[in-house]
Amino acid sequence: GAVVSQHPSRVICKSGTSVKIECRSLDFQATTMFWYRQFPKQSLMLMATSNEGSKATYEQGVEKDKFLINHASLTLSTLTVTSAHPEDSSFYICSARERRTGGFQPQHFGDGTRLSIL
Amino acid sequence: EDKVVQSPLSLVVHEGDTVTLNCSYEVTNFRSLLWYKQEKKAPTFLFMLTSSGIEKKSGRLSSILDKKELSSILNITATQTGDSAIYLCAMGGGSNYKLTFGKGTLLTVNP
Repeated sequence: GAVVSQHPSRVICKSGTSVKIECRSLDFQATTMFWYRQFPKQSLMLMATSNEGSKATYEQGVEKDKFLINHASLTLSTLTVTSAHPEDSSFYICSARERRTGGFQPQHFGDGTRLSIL
Repeated sequence: EDKVVQSPLSLVVHEGDTVTLNCSYEVTNFRSLLWYKQEKKAPTFLFMLTSSGIEKKSGRLSSILDKKELSSILNITATQTGDSAIYLCAMGGGSNYKLTFGKGTLLTVNP
């Protein structure tokens, strides 16, 4: 159980292109999803918290207009990197927290999207 | 600001060895401590610890939390090459269920 699917797994595109990444919880409902960025040999850096039916909460230093997040249903959140540039190249990972009462639940991660901007 | 520090940052051992990975934290509102294993892709969940002194075990892996010392350890006994990975410690705090990750420990198990 607790499977998170992230798509696509790899994107290579030209500078100026907008790229959309999908994150789906396959066998559970996720009230909250999270988007992370990971640079080589570094840990996961939280970019934003995505709550179903409301606006995302962005971490300090993350541009909202650059990284658009939509969480339209309890099983789907999307991250759109708008007008991507080479410095946006990175490994993007989503996670989902199961909708359950009674305390803290672990986050379950998708397989990540490797984004390369030429 | 919440902080998670892992040590060592990297470790090389031989198959069959036992390893202990460390995680210490500073957090304003502790809710849980989690361990994840990351191989080539995204992290996979290992343990979640909320109570001090209670060991969680899964096969050759075990973990325990010490709230007094603000730390946790992850033990792996009889290591195998398949245990080679980055082990991430994360702190769950606050009301929004965010996780703060440490930098990870890169474990390499040689045959």
